[in-house]
Amino acid sequence: EADIYQTPRYLVIGTGKKITLECSQTMGHDKMYWYQQDPGMELHLIHYSYGVNSTEKGDLSSESTVSRIRTEHFPLTLESARPSHTSQYLCASRRQGGEKLFFGSGTQLSVL
Amino acid sequence: SQQGEEDPQALSIQEGENATMNCSYKTSINNLQWYRQNSGRGLVHLILIRSNEREKHSGRLRVTLDTSKKSSSLLITASRAADTASYFCATEATGNTPLVFGKGTRLSVIA
Repeated sequence: EADIYQTPRYLVIGTGKKITLECSQTMGHDKMYWYQQDPGMELHLIHYSYGVNSTEKGDLSSESTVSRIRTEHFPLTLESARPSHTSQYLCASRRQGGEKLFFGSGTQLSVL
Repeated sequence: SQQGEEDPQALSIQEGENATMNCSYKTSINNLQWYRQNSGRGLVHLILIRSNEREKHSGRLRVTLDTSKKSSSLLITASRAADTASYFCATEATGNTPLVFGKGTRLSVIA
């Protein structure tokens, strides 16, 4: 098992709420990623970071933000949750020069 | 748009049979990777094949890569019920680009 942790594991919230999904890794990896996985299984890249104070947008980033103040921590924030945000959110990391990704167990978000 | 497309979308086989999943992609790649996902969990890396390799083995896994056809296949031999999971291919265009995942194949192995 990889040392990458996501909290909460499950979250049910109402429309319009602001939420932050947490992701932390203890492997010292510089590169971190957020993917959204829809019920049909396809993974969409939301945001990624190649180090502290570096963040980039992916294909599906317009309704969320991220920050990378510490190497080990890469939280994802939805400013105003909507039912269309209901999905599984997966955080992943890899070292600089590394090829394979290590994934957390995911956060299953339901927005009512 | 997504780079990889897996085929078939779902596959159901008996224990002991071989399972073959295919992946096609669109652009030049540095490497192609296969991941496994158990229901409701994160993905776990299985095997990586570089663009200059044609075949790679790891235990009961065999991966092939045909860069002229932009396709790869994952073969799981002598499948077990515990192999039941979703399998994804992911491509890396260069060393500094995020992995792009396909839509996955759901494999069910019936005991």
